[in-house]
Amino acid sequence: QLVQSGAEMKKPGASVKISCKASGHTFTSYYFHWVRQAPGLAPEWMGMIYPRVGSTRYAPKFEGRVTMTSDTSTSTFYMDLSSLTSDDTAVYYCARDRGLVVALWHFDLWGRGTLLTVSS
Amino acid sequence: DIQMTQSPSSLSASVGDRVTITCQASQDISTSLSWYQQKPGKAPELIIYDASTLESGVPSRFSGSGSGTDFTITISSLQPEDIATYYCQDYDNLPTFGHGTRLDIK
Repeated sequence: QLVQSGAEMKKPGASVKISCKASGHTFTSYYFHWVRQAPGLAPEWMGMIYPRVGSTRYAPKFEGRVTMTSDTSTSTFYMDLSSLTSDDTAVYYCARDRGLVVALWHFDLWGRGTLLTVSS
Repeated sequence: DIQMTQSPSSLSASVGDRVTITCQASQDISTSLSWYQQKPGKAPELIIYDASTLESGVPSRFSGSGSGTDFTITISSLQPEDIATYYCQDYDNLPTFGHGTRLDIK
């Protein structure tokens, strides 16, 4: 399963760091993704991390503003988003890639989501 | 960027009905398409990948088809627990989701 950190409330211009702890599978054998969903809208892919080597790939929209990291000792990965605006208000999900050791780019296990509210 | 267009945006059907939702890609994505089911307040759940492969544990009343630019998901006999929003997702390049189809009971 994937267990995410709790809801966050931030002011515009601030940064947020959301965590996702994996259990029940070999952490370093999978790619993990972050997907966000603004109220009433479709999910939006933000980026991916492969904890085995620490490699990342980000959606162009978030390049320069998002950083994804991982800690193999705790099977936890993180998504750091900076320069927040009200448009970043959304539920942020972590998700596991269905592929084993290879990225297949679709997601078979999801966290329950972390609500981020950005408001002054 | 690839655009994914789903139709209809919402759909009402009766229990036992056959339901079909379509997804059209703006360019050829072969069979690099998955479908997700999302119930209110919950995370999406993978139900079909590679356009037509059923994820483990998903009822056989769900099926997917298509390749290239046109795809469908079909529920052969709608059940009350199928009420949800359905999203297609392309992964030929970076993942892109369709805008969703909200399915409810008539």
